[in-house]
Amino acid sequence: GQQVMQIPQYQHVQEGEDFTTYCNSSTTLSNIQWYKQRPGGHPVFLIQLVKSGEVKKQKRLTFQFGEAKKNSSLHITATQTTDVGTYFCAGPAGYGGATNKLIFGTGTLLAVQP
Amino acid sequence: EPEVTQTPSHQVTQMGQEVILRCVPISNHLYFYWYRQILGQKVEFLVSFYNNEISEKSEIFDDQFSVERPDGSNFTLKIRSTKLEDSAMYFCASAGPLVAGELFFGEGSRLTVL
Repeated sequence: GQQVMQIPQYQHVQEGEDFTTYCNSSTTLSNIQWYKQRPGGHPVFLIQLVKSGEVKKQKRLTFQFGEAKKNSSLHITATQTTDVGTYFCAGPAGYGGATNKLIFGTGTLLAVQP
Repeated sequence: EPEVTQTPSHQVTQMGQEVILRCVPISNHLYFYWYRQILGQKVEFLVSFYNNEISEKSEIFDDQFSVERPDGSNFTLKIRSTKLEDSAMYFCASAGPLVAGELFFGEGSRLTVL
């Protein structure tokens, strides 16, 4: 079945350092979404990318969708303690069809030391 | 801001007992989901519900599980004859008119099976 993998599984950074998580799908995706889950919390939507090669920015966060629409990345510049949490990518199962099943990646847990 | 609400926040049950987890999705949303997350692991799709019927379900969602939207506002997940491995956080989510659009998650119901 379709798999969505993320690396690294865990990253510990000093506050102010940059952070990147990479997401790879076993199949082509019609779009990719990113969610953040704070410790003990629930997933919260960050962004959706649709176009091949698309790059979107939200303040210190930069999201990229690969040209082949099978991979994506999230880069955080100058991390802050508020960035702590697990970052999940997620993509719809299947491509082009009317599926509403979202497959989540394995997640990357970010720890930020003040 | 509209939100998805879930009850109970935590339920402890004996193995073999039935549990019902309740969710009130955002009122104008059309797609409803249940996901589960075993501690420290990824968010796993269980089932999606649209137009008063199941639209997709995962291999996890076997005869032990059922969903209902009894009154047009509540969305319930019933687990019959719970097993130890059913212990997890169960998240309800809803989405608006776009298929495969942004998911809004509730805060989750933690199920502990003893």
